[in-house]
Amino acid sequence: GQQVMQIPQYQHVQEGEDFTTYCNSSTTLSNIQWYKQRPGGHPVFLIQLVKSGEVKKQKRLTFQFGEAKKNSSLHITATQTTDVGTYFCAGLGDYGQNFVFGPGTRLSVLP
Amino acid sequence: NAGVTQTPKFQVLKTGQSMTLQCAQDMNHNSMYWYRQDPGMGLRLIYYSASEGTTDKGEVPNGYNVSRLNKREFSLRLESAAPSQTSVYFCASSEYPPRRGDSPLHFGNGTRLTVT
Repeated sequence: GQQVMQIPQYQHVQEGEDFTTYCNSSTTLSNIQWYKQRPGGHPVFLIQLVKSGEVKKQKRLTFQFGEAKKNSSLHITATQTTDVGTYFCAGLGDYGQNFVFGPGTRLSVLP
Repeated sequence: NAGVTQTPKFQVLKTGQSMTLQCAQDMNHNSMYWYRQDPGMGLRLIYYSASEGTTDKGEVPNGYNVSRLNKREFSLRLESAAPSQTSVYFCASSEYPPRRGDSPLHFGNGTRLTVT
């Protein structure tokens, strides 16, 4: 079945540094969603990407969908302590019925 | 607007005991889901209900049953709990099933279950 991987598993950055997490699917995707989960919290929807090569920005966050629609990335510019949490991608395969979540990237930001 | 409400927040069971996790949403969403979250494994879909009156298995359905009681409520039952079912369980809802288009998942606060 479809598998979704994310790298890195953990990332520790100094406040103000940039951060990127990468998401890779074993199959092509109809669309991909990104979620953020704060420590002790629940996943919260950030964004959905649908088109090949699509780039979307939310303030300091930049999301990209690969040309082949098998990978995606989330880049945070100048991290802040409020960015701490685990970032999950979730991919909907071309023939899938539901999103498959990646294992997540846990981000720590040192002040 | 409470969104998605799950009960209980915490539960400890002994092996072989049964319990039901409750979930209700007040957003008039059509689709509801149950996920489990284990360290390093992301969220895995247990069961889902694309619309009122339907339920289907997800990735990891063994040991669980579900009931879509009405449009608002979707419960998850563990008939005979096992230590492997120790996990954090999240209920989620979306306006439409994923294939319908732009329909984000809204998650409840989770239930932390320990089976000893």
